Amino acid sequence: DAGITQSPRHKVTETGTPVTLRCHQTENHRYMYWYRQDPGHGLRLIHYSYGVKDTDKGEVSDGYSVSRSKTEDFLLTLESATSSQTSVYFCAISYSEGTDTQYFGPGTRLTVL
Amino acid sequence: KNQVEQSPQSLIILEGKNCTLQCNYTVSPFSNLRWYKQDTGRGPVSLTIMTFSENTKSNGRYTATLDADTKQSSLHITASQLSDSASYICVVSAKYTGRRALTFGSGTRLQVQP
Repeated sequence: DAGITQSPRHKVTETGTPVTLRCHQTENHRYMYWYRQDPGHGLRLIHYSYGVKDTDKGEVSDGYSVSRSKTEDFLLTLESATSSQTSVYFCAISYSEGTDTQYFGPGTRLTVL
Repeated sequence: KNQVEQSPQSLIILEGKNCTLQCNYTVSPFSNLRWYKQDTGRGPVSLTIMTFSENTKSNGRYTATLDADTKQSSLHITASQLSDSASYICVVSAKYTGRRALTFGSGTRLQVQP
């Protein structure tokens, strides 16, 4: 998985609780992305980062925030989890932006009860 | 709105048989098209990348084709193996940068049976 780890790999939580997912890379790639994958929707971009402390929203950013204080770490936070955020979350990295190949982590399966 | 549609949604074939997966897109301006393979419980992995000028590209038993005029791509798998069981995702890149550049298809789930 191209030097990308995600933690936790599985999490079950209750509605209204805060949740933070971590993505860690050892490739020193500048660009990092958070996606969610749901049946019938494919991968949808939540947020992405183009450098330390530089982030931007994706197409499904409502209810999510991100932070990147170091090149290697990109955190995704659900401030108050809802059942609609039950999904599989993938982190990805790329050397350059836009059209470059993205390398994906192993995913985090999140269930919000 | 940029869109990528894949067909069929799912496919079951017998080991050793060939199959073809389809991808139609309406992404503009077009930059490149990738096919990713996603094994169950894992992240997608890039199989091939095709630019506007490329018609065919092979990666082992996988051959991708691109018709930029009709905005269609196909992924042909030859002599299928059980390990080919996975989802195959078509991803099209537009020629602008940033978060809007990639459009993902919803994938074709392939099951190869012995």
